[in-house]
Amino acid sequence: EDQVTQSPEALRLQEGESSSLNCSYTVSGLRGLFWYRQDPGKGPEFLFTLYSAGEEKEKERLKATLTKKESFLHITAPKPEDSATYLCAVLSEKLVFGKGTKLTVNP
Amino acid sequence: GAVVSQHPSRVICKSGTSVKIECRSLDFQATTMFWYRQFPKQSLMLMATSNEGSKATYEQGVEKDKFLINHASLTLSTLTVTSAHPEDSSFYICSATRRLAGVGDTQYFGPGTRLTVL
Repeated sequence: EDQVTQSPEALRLQEGESSSLNCSYTVSGLRGLFWYRQDPGKGPEFLFTLYSAGEEKEKERLKATLTKKESFLHITAPKPEDSATYLCAVLSEKLVFGKGTKLTVNP
Repeated sequence: GAVVSQHPSRVICKSGTSVKIECRSLDFQATTMFWYRQFPKQSLMLMATSNEGSKATYEQGVEKDKFLINHASLTLSTLTVTSAHPEDSSFYICSATRRLAGVGDTQYFGPGTRLTVL
């Protein structure tokens, strides 16, 4: 059975304090790994798709990396507006989500 | 970027009535659409997979006669909650699969529909 585990469940950072979120997965036939940002009461907002081990993608203060067993979402010098829940999902036959990491960035 | 819309964004209804939620991919044709529900502080739970022109595939524990899915075209899927009850109150989200040639599939999500059943 496909599984996705995200850690930590919650993370508090000071503005400018860089850190990483983890997404570990077990899946048969990975077709893609996705990172999303979700704000309260809204649908997930697409951030990145990674398709193969070794792939990296960047967008502003975010960088996503992928290995055969896990993905990291690195946040460099975060700002309060980066506060949100970050969701990881893997696609094989269907899309399976992790429970998310709630990030709070304090000014 | 790709856009997926949902309508309505918020609906309040009486117990026993039916509610229809629309999901549209606005600037691409979606090979597949998915329907999720999300309870407060929990992750998304897949309800069903919807393919254009064929019957939806429901996840275990999801009543297909209660949650009717119609995938009328490559850009539109609808979810009808029939005879809604208070326990059906939730946040319903759809996603659409966009296939990029030579790249792969990406999932784009709608903004969600907040259903409250009184």
